[in-house]
Amino acid sequence: EPEVTQTPSHQVTQMGQEVILRCVPISNHLYFYWYRQILGQKVEFLVSFYNNEISEKSEIFDDQFSVERPDGSNFTLKIRSTKLEDSAMYFCASSLTSGRAGEQFFGPGTRLTVL
Amino acid sequence: SQQGEEDPQALSIQEGENATMNCSYKTSINNLQWYRQNSGRGLVHLILIRSNEREKHSGRLRVTLDTSKKSSSLLITASRAADTASYFCATEGQAGTALIFGKGTTLSVSS
Repeated sequence: EPEVTQTPSHQVTQMGQEVILRCVPISNHLYFYWYRQILGQKVEFLVSFYNNEISEKSEIFDDQFSVERPDGSNFTLKIRSTKLEDSAMYFCASSLTSGRAGEQFFGPGTRLTVL
Repeated sequence: SQQGEEDPQALSIQEGENATMNCSYKTSINNLQWYRQNSGRGLVHLILIRSNEREKHSGRLRVTLDTSKKSSSLLITASRAADTASYFCATEGQAGTALIFGKGTTLSVSS
């Protein structure tokens, strides 16, 4: 069964460093998403991406964040200058469509630890 | 906001019993999705119910949606120890693509 994959599974970085989290969505999916979950808290939406552009973003997704689909398979989230509060599990998701039939399938997550 | 909020926050049952979790939200939706998360792991998609649907089944799962009350319920029948996990509802609003998650119900099934 097709699945969303993410690398790395765990990333440790120093405050102020740049990190790139990578995702390979399900191959025929058209919509891509990033979410995060701070330990013990809700899953929070960051950004959605369709047709090579951001279609929606949350207040969390400020200028420190960017997304890119550099080729036909990868979808990346870059955090330019990490802060301690960026420590969280980051989930990538993809869906074939949006709206009423838009099941979003999530990857296993990347645990980001900022020291 | 259109947050989904589940109740109860925690539920402990014996194997073989049924587990019911509820979710409430605030604004109009396209769909509502239920997910399972084992401790420290990823989110597993369980079921999607569209705004024009009232009930949906998948194996031992039964989901209902009442858009007039802005609420949904997830019923797991004949629970197993392997069902132990956190369960989240997530709503997709009519205006966008974002899923808004609730805080989740932690289900513990003991054998």
